[in-house]
Amino acid sequence: DGGITQSPKYLFRKEGQNVTLSCEQNLNHDAMYWYRQDPGQGLRLIYYSQIVNDFQKGDIAEGYSVSREKKESFPLTVTSAQKNPTAFYLCASSVQGNQPQHFGDGTRLSIL
Amino acid sequence: DQQVKQNSPSLSVQEGRISILNCDYTNSMFDYFLWYKKYPAEGPTFLISISSIKDKNEDGRFTVFLNKSAKHLSLHIVPSQPGDSAVYFCAASNTGSGNTGKLIFGQGTTLQVKP
Repeated sequence: DGGITQSPKYLFRKEGQNVTLSCEQNLNHDAMYWYRQDPGQGLRLIYYSQIVNDFQKGDIAEGYSVSREKKESFPLTVTSAQKNPTAFYLCASSVQGNQPQHFGDGTRLSIL
Repeated sequence: DQQVKQNSPSLSVQEGRISILNCDYTNSMFDYFLWYKKYPAEGPTFLISISSIKDKNEDGRFTVFLNKSAKHLSLHIVPSQPGDSAVYFCAASNTGSGNTGKLIFGQGTTLQVKP
């Protein structure tokens, strides 16, 4: 079945540690997105990529980094510079532009 | 600056009745709107969308209405079913700005449908 796979489902980070969240899609979508959801809030865009080897900052990119070396993969690294990383992270993809985005099931990141 | 607002954090309706979820936006450049449904610990699922050239779009039990002059959209679910209990997010996009697909989400409304 086509879809978006995020792993791991749960992740714990120690102080000063970088962690990487995986996002893989087999929908052949060009565009991919990373969002963060905090309790009682909507989804906020961290980074997005419209094509391989290109990506742009979203609204809350500080403390995060991404890469897009392959069409199907868009990993997100939460760096030690992100002081409040505890959140639910969602990856999405779309054919392009104004097409509905399809979401993975998310990764919940917590601090040890 | 919250460009997309869902002012009702929660809504409770009886099974079989109509559920109306509301969403307001401030950016007049938004021209594409979507509703997503989300269960706990899962990703949002796309429900229905509407372009600004239309004022209504219907898909089965779900209808989205757009009032551009009021910068307001609503999602109607008729009849409501217990399985509709979830968090509903509205989202908006400006497809003209390089068509990046960037979505701005509201805070979400938790719908509870009582049997």
